[in-house]
Amino acid sequence: DAGVIQSPRHEVTEMGQEVTLRCKPISGHDYLFWYRQTMMRGLELLIYFNNNVPIDDSGMPEDRFSAKMPNASFSTLKIQPSEPRDSAVYFCASSLFGTGNEKLFFGSGTQLSVL
Amino acid sequence: DAKTTQPNSMESNEEEPVHLPCNHSTISGTDYIHWYRQLPSQGPEYVIHGLTSNVNNRMASLAIAEDRKSSTLILHRATLRDAAVYYCIRNAGNNRKLIWGLGTSLAVNP
Repeated sequence: DAGVIQSPRHEVTEMGQEVTLRCKPISGHDYLFWYRQTMMRGLELLIYFNNNVPIDDSGMPEDRFSAKMPNASFSTLKIQPSEPRDSAVYFCASSLFGTGNEKLFFGSGTQLSVL
Repeated sequence: DAKTTQPNSMESNEEEPVHLPCNHSTISGTDYIHWYRQLPSQGPEYVIHGLTSNVNNRMASLAIAEDRKSSTLILHRATLRDAAVYYCIRNAGNNRKLIWGLGTSLAVNP
């Protein structure tokens, strides 16, 4: 398996523009997580899905952020409009069965810079 | 607070054992302890997890205190490739929401 695939690897945009980050989880995994990582705050869970259904979005910072999972093999995280403080590395992770003690498999992340 | 406490940084020499400590004094009886590590410019990767008993796998060993208020990740022979940030995490009631701290940055000297 190729692992969790994220695109793009790097994104540079201007303030006010829409940004869409993409994630392909490992085939067969039933949980998908979106994380954001900054130097100051570390890794923060934004939202997670179970069987394509959003379960907890309490970590989504503002209405400018939205996430979808139209099918088991694809998810997007959208920021509209983007702001400089959104600059961070965004990670997608997936896991299997959601027993609570399963392993998380992370993608390589998207480095987002909002100018 | 569901976060764990770890030293900000540690240093080791190549081929020596490394003991990475973690304090989780408020852990509840059903919370597992997870360890992940993050190499530079990569996403975190799973290392090991456990509940009460000590655990071993090909990457590391996890020693859990009898009162479960602390644990230690043991790398038996550090290599340069083990230089990374190591995160000790516990469940936060909701098992799906792992609460991440800032971890321990491990430097390995040749």
